[in-house]
Amino acid sequence: SQQGEEDPQALSIQEGENATMNCSYKTSINNLQWYRQNSGRGLVHLILIRSNEREKHSGRLRVTLDTSKKSSSLLITASRAADTASYFCATKDTGRRALTFGSGTRLQVQP
Amino acid sequence: DAGVIQSPRHEVTEMGQEVTLRCKPISGHNSLFWYRQTMMRGLELLIYFNNNVPIDDSGMPEDRFSAKMPNASFSTLKIQPSEPRDSAVYFCASRVEMDEQYFGPGTRLTVT
Repeated sequence: SQQGEEDPQALSIQEGENATMNCSYKTSINNLQWYRQNSGRGLVHLILIRSNEREKHSGRLRVTLDTSKKSSSLLITASRAADTASYFCATKDTGRRALTFGSGTRLQVQP
Repeated sequence: DAGVIQSPRHEVTEMGQEVTLRCKPISGHNSLFWYRQTMMRGLELLIYFNNNVPIDDSGMPEDRFSAKMPNASFSTLKIQPSEPRDSAVYFCASRVEMDEQYFGPGTRLTVT
């Protein structure tokens, strides 16, 4: 799989349910970031977790990072219809300035 | 701050024409990135600048693509000549070193 590969590619849930998206990567990283993109819009930064952190919270978002498994998960609790968007993970690889983006997870929250 | 500003928001042009996309990064940000997004290839990094200097242009698909950053507040991405397969949304993003990136709204380019 590619660096920063999200799983699943698409997810459909009911409003109020939790949504979990996973990201796997291959290289050594400084940090991992999650971004959201609404249809036709630019990406918006959600949360950044550093390589020495294991879990981070921001509002209804919870991100975990397991560097031994080279994986991360994004949990959105109590989802809302407005959470409908594509979610991308991006890795800041060691020794590289640019981020590497995955292919994204399309989340659909049904009202 | 108004965020990253891109212009135009939409561009429709005929094959063979020159296209220039513009970006104004957030003031104080020292890195600037150009991305291209398509359904087939997803989000691709084309080139990025640090302190106005191009650092990595390995993502630029062909010599038809060129990018400049004459000063800290302005960058251009030029395609000459344009081809239908260049149709995509082109994003500009900026950031302070090691921090999160801030994306512009994108330019939707259609080459007919």
